Amino acid sequence: QVQLVESGGGVVQPGRSLRLSCAASGFTFSNYAMHWVRQAPGKGLEWVAVISYDGRHKFYADSVKGRFTISRDDSKNTLYLQVDSQRAEDTAVYYCARPLVDRVPSSFDHWGQGTLVTVSS
Amino acid sequence: DIQMTQSPSTLSASVGDRVTITCRASQSISTWLAWYQQKPGKAPELLIYEASNLESGVPSRFSGSGSGTEFTLSISSLQPDDFATYYCQQYNSYTYTFGQGTKLEIK
Repeated sequence: QVQLVESGGGVVQPGRSLRLSCAASGFTFSNYAMHWVRQAPGKGLEWVAVISYDGRHKFYADSVKGRFTISRDDSKNTLYLQVDSQRAEDTAVYYCARPLVDRVPSSFDHWGQGTLVTVSS
Repeated sequence: DIQMTQSPSTLSASVGDRVTITCRASQSISTWLAWYQQKPGKAPELLIYEASNLESGVPSRFSGSGSGTEFTLSISSLQPDDFATYYCQQYNSYTYTFGQGTKLEIK
């Protein structure tokens, strides 16, 4: 069955960098666009970024544009999120999510369990 | 960017009640709208996609409707397991957006 497992979270100082990973299994990873979504403690869901199935197209929320970089390695069935210049407001649980339908904009039918990033000095 | 506004932010109801949550988009999104349920400490779960299509395995008491800028999620007869937070999400553009959420509480 489809599995998404995030890792790489932890405590990071303001201004430092972190790379989150999402290991995918149970489906043909290279056929799907993939997304990152985050949720600050006690707050709502915030869509963060998407990478197209072929890696050619990437889109970001305005709140992270220029600081976050989404990428993928289809040989490892893994999605990444490079988070630079961390701010306190980046503290959140970060989820990776797979769309219901491959290759077109779609809702998310599979989510990982999330990885917590805490930005604190 | 497309903004999504949910109402109400909090809803108090009893088991057996019928409830409706509304989601408005800042511009037309056709039917490119999804609804999710989230329980504390868990990832969201897809309920409805393309505004009115029930995701596999989701109970039929959940239903969605709407198009353009106005959408609703209805639960026909609340069950104890339904008390959670609900989010709408648009995927009309390549920059997706969630509503701010509606917390459904037990009255």
